[in-house]
Amino acid sequence: GDSVTQMEGPVTLSEEAFLTINCTYTATGYPSLFWYVQYPGEGLQLLLKATKADDKGSNKGFEATYRKETTSFHLEKGSVQVSDSAVYFCALRGSGGGADGLTFGKGTHLIIQP
Amino acid sequence: EAQVTQNPRYLITVTGKKLTVTCSQNMNHEYMSWYRQDPGLGLRQIYYSMNVEVTDKGDVPEGYKVSRKEKRNFPLILESPSPNQTSLYFCASSNFPNSYEQYFGPGTRLTVT
Repeated sequence: GDSVTQMEGPVTLSEEAFLTINCTYTATGYPSLFWYVQYPGEGLQLLLKATKADDKGSNKGFEATYRKETTSFHLEKGSVQVSDSAVYFCALRGSGGGADGLTFGKGTHLIIQP
Repeated sequence: EAQVTQNPRYLITVTGKKLTVTCSQNMNHEYMSWYRQDPGLGLRQIYYSMNVEVTDKGDVPEGYKVSRKEKRNFPLILESPSPNQTSLYFCASSNFPNSYEQYFGPGTRLTVT
């Protein structure tokens, strides 16, 4: 079945550092890929998405590129802020056409120190 | 404001005492879903519903029931809760099949003693 693998952390960085959170996936066909963010005490919010190979999703300074050849969707940001501290989830939606839900990674806890 | 609401946000109960967690969305989405979030396991889907009166099992349905009598509401029912159902629960809705993006509620933290 489909699966998503990401580093769990916690990942601790200083403010203005460069961020990479790795995400790799296993799925048949051409899944849609997502990054969700969960701030403390809140539900998940969609951060960005990509629906086909080589697409780049971007939002709030974050970027991720759908790499079919390496089955990856790494999240990057050039200069993180304290307000970026949250848990980040990589997720995929299989291309099978059914109505089942997203497959999530286990989440990466990001801590940004001032 | 487009949103998914859940109630209660926090619940402590005892083993075997039936409970219901409500979920409501105001986006006219046909697709709704329940997930549980556990440390080290991420989010796992419990049940989903493609439309009124249409529900199906997700990855971890044991011990849960759902109903979908109206498009906006999708309650999660634990008829006889057990301690292994202590978790953080999220309801989500989606404009499936037009979009796979899911909108999540704020979560319900359930403790079963």
